[in-house]
Amino acid sequence: SQQGEEDPQALSIQEGENATMNCSYKTSINNLQWYRQNSGRGLVHLILIRSNEREKHSGRLRVTLDTSKKSSSLLITASRAADTASYFCATEPTGNQFYFGTGTSLTVIP
Amino acid sequence: DTGVSQDPRHKITKRGQNVTFRCDPISEHNRLYWYRQTLGQGPEFLTYFQNEAQLEKSRLLSDRFSAERPKGSFSTLEIQRTEQGDSAMYLCASSFVSFEPEAFFGQGTRLTVV
Repeated sequence: SQQGEEDPQALSIQEGENATMNCSYKTSINNLQWYRQNSGRGLVHLILIRSNEREKHSGRLRVTLDTSKKSSSLLITASRAADTASYFCATEPTGNQFYFGTGTSLTVIP
Repeated sequence: DTGVSQDPRHKITKRGQNVTFRCDPISEHNRLYWYRQTLGQGPEFLTYFQNEAQLEKSRLLSDRFSAERPKGSFSTLEIQRTEQGDSAMYLCASSFVSFEPEAFFGQGTRLTVV
């Protein structure tokens, strides 16, 4: 399977703390995307990083990509209760479809 | 345009019945994807269209499943002779390939087969 894997599977932090989640994948990719999913809802696109980029920022989000290790990390700074959700990475190896990992469930405690 | 729209949001059906879901992508997007997601798992790829052409289908898409995208606009996903194992969230996404590869997802259709 070319599916990515997020780590940890679950993460619980206090509001205001930073949350870091990791994604590992198996094949070379064109880009990697991070999505958020609130319980029972659709996925919301957060950020895309291309294979020739190493780091990208968007608001409180910071994404890194290490293609040599086939891994990415998503950092959410100054977390809020509203950040409670599942977070998925999606890789696009061939430019035809996205492969999702199993997700990290983040709980931010107020 | 308010994004990707899916209809219905929820569907409860009896085993053996046929169901059809609709997806309206973002209007300028030429790619449309269908994914299936079960509880606690990430979305699994089912199929995708570029304009009206169905270019790839997953092995998950048995012969009971069929998808269409007439005229390269909205898409339908039909499941015939539903089984309890078909119970899942069915997600549609669209993107404008060769410009920005981000895929934008709809809210999904939750199917329950009883």
